[in-house]
Parts: sequence; structure tokens; C-alpha cells
Amino acid sequence: DTGVSQNPRHKITKRGQNVTFRCDPISEHNRLYWYRQTLGQGPEFLTYFQNEAQLEKSRLLSDRFSAERPKGSFSTLEIQRTEQGDSAMYLCASSLIAGGDTQYFGPGTRLTVL
Amino acid sequence: AQSVTQLDSHVSVSEGTPVLLRCNYSSSYSPSLFWYVQHPNKGLQLLLKYTSAATLVKGINGFEAEFKKSETSFHLTKPSAHMSDAAEYFCVVSVSGGYNKLIFGAGTRLAVHP
Repeated sequence: DTGVSQNPRHKITKRGQNVTFRCDPISEHNRLYWYRQTLGQGPEFLTYFQNEAQLEKSRLLSDRFSAERPKGSFSTLEIQRTEQGDSAMYLCASSLIAGGDTQYFGPGTRLTVL
Repeated sequence: AQSVTQLDSHVSVSEGTPVLLRCNYSSSYSPSLFWYVQHPNKGLQLLLKYTSAATLVKGINGFEAEFKKSETSFHLTKPSAHMSDAAEYFCVVSVSGGYNKLIFGAGTRLAVHP
């Protein structure tokens, strides 16, 4: 069990550029979640996958955001035409259906939009 | 709708003294409640979890929390603070009825002084 990993750990980009983040969940975890955490706040839910199916998207996830989990393993989160307000820590978590609620978090990707 | 309120944004204690971090929750259902800790530049780590089995829940590193339904509270305590406990602590409720989206409180920053 190597834990949830996220890449890159840090990303600095200019406004208007596209960025993509990757999350590798704990092996065999069938649920995968994305959250966003802004400075001084708790994480907020963005979206959720069960296997390869994206089952819910938060209203925080504008049409500039897209997430995929093509084979039910790793997931990517893409932000198009980044804005300064997108600057945040993007967290990924995974869990087992049989494991109930417990979600295990990765270290996050910190995005800075200049 | 589920929500959590962390009553203190900052708590400061001396090493060796007790820690109390306060959390109130709101839930239409019998909730699952968690405390997570976030150290600087590290991922969220699960401290403990309540799922209706026992009202007093013991977690890692000497932390425990008591579920009080009559007070809708889930306060986190530790008898004796250690310098390494300095971190951000989040009280979390799980949205029931499906995929267990987590709702985080705003966080309490714990400072431990020598």
C-alpha cells in the first residue's frame, strides 16, 4: 500500500493557460474524489468517481474543469483557461466501497495562477 | 443538509497541557464523523472516525473524541499536548446516502508552545 500519490506537487502557470493534474489512488480503491482547498479554508468537494464513472460534480466545477478516470485507476483533473481564482490546493482521495466512509488523501497539487 | 462548525479558528496550548478542539455538526441522518489533521506541506491524515459503534472514539497519537447526540458535538481532546501536535485540524461529516462526500469544517490551527 503506497498511498495516494499526486503529480505534480506544485504548478505555477500564467492566466489563460491549461493545466492537468494526475492522481493515482491506492491500488484497488474503486472510489476516487477530488477536493479543492483555498488558503485558510477546509477542502471542498469537486467531483467523485466510482470505477470509471463520474457520478457527481459540484457546482464549484465550472465548464473549464474536466475530470476523467479512463480505466478506473488513475484520474486526471484539467483546468482550461486558468484564472487567478483557480489558485488553490487540489486534493485527491480514494476509498473502497467496502471500507465505508474512510477516504485516504494524497499530498495535493498546489496551483498558483499568475 | 449536513454541515460542521469548528468553534475556534486558533487554539494555543503549552506542551504537556490538555488539548480541546471543539466541533458541532448538523445532520439529518445518523452521521459519520471524522477528525483529520494536516501538517504543513503534508496530506490530510485521518485521526479518528465515529460511525455509531461507540460514542467515545480513540484515534492515533493519543487523541480521542466523544460523540454527543444531545449536544450535536464531536469535540477532539488529548490529555497532554506535544510539540509535534502543532497542525491544522479538520472536523468532517460524511454525506450519507451514497458515495460519502465529505463536508469539512473551516479548520482549527493548533499551536503548541514550550
